[in-house]
Amino acid sequence: KQEVTQIPAALSVPEGENLVLNCSFTDSAIYNLQWFRQDPGKGLTSLLLIQSSQREQTSGRLNASLDKSSGRSTLYIAASQPGDSATYLCAAYIHASGGSYIPTFGRGTSLIVHP
Amino acid sequence: NAGVTQTPKFRILKIGQSMTLQCAQDMNHNYMYWYRQDPGMGLKLIYYSVGAGITDKGEVPNGYNVSRSTTEDFPLRLELAAPSQTSVYFCASSYNLGSEQYFGPGTRLTVT
Repeated sequence: KQEVTQIPAALSVPEGENLVLNCSFTDSAIYNLQWFRQDPGKGLTSLLLIQSSQREQTSGRLNASLDKSSGRSTLYIAASQPGDSATYLCAAYIHASGGSYIPTFGRGTSLIVHP
Repeated sequence: NAGVTQTPKFRILKIGQSMTLQCAQDMNHNYMYWYRQDPGMGLKLIYYSVGAGITDKGEVPNGYNVSRSTTEDFPLRLELAAPSQTSVYFCASSYNLGSEQYFGPGTRLTVT
């Protein structure tokens, strides 16, 4: 069974710190990987999508990398702000028995950035 | 564009009742997904569809049914509701395989 694991489960940091969130997956033959943000009681918002042929993607203070051979992706948040407080989830598109690729989510990292 | 919309936002069901969760998207996306999210857990895929008339099971399909008669709509049917189906349900869509997913606001369902 394919699994996606996120470490740490929770993180509390002071404002201004640079952060690294980790996502690991058991099947290296993923189609792509996507990072999301979820605010309490809300739906998910897409942050970055990395295609399997890519190594990284950047958007503002966010940078996501992908290393398929080691089964890992990291989300780097630079100069964290209180507004970054949320749960961050990764989803790897993993090959399914029917021949398609289906998204498999990790449990998320709950981030609190305090002033 | 409204994006992905879901109705209702909240619902309480009694054990054994049935209901349909509605999902619609106006982005002309081919792929649509239904997930459930339990407290402290990630999202589990229930069903997905790659286009009108085509659906397939995800990781946790038991107790649910779907249909996709149009590109825009992807309703999720719960038959004989059970307490184990208490969860938050999210619908999502994407243009094609592996492209960016857009999520609806969710439906919070309680079965008592």
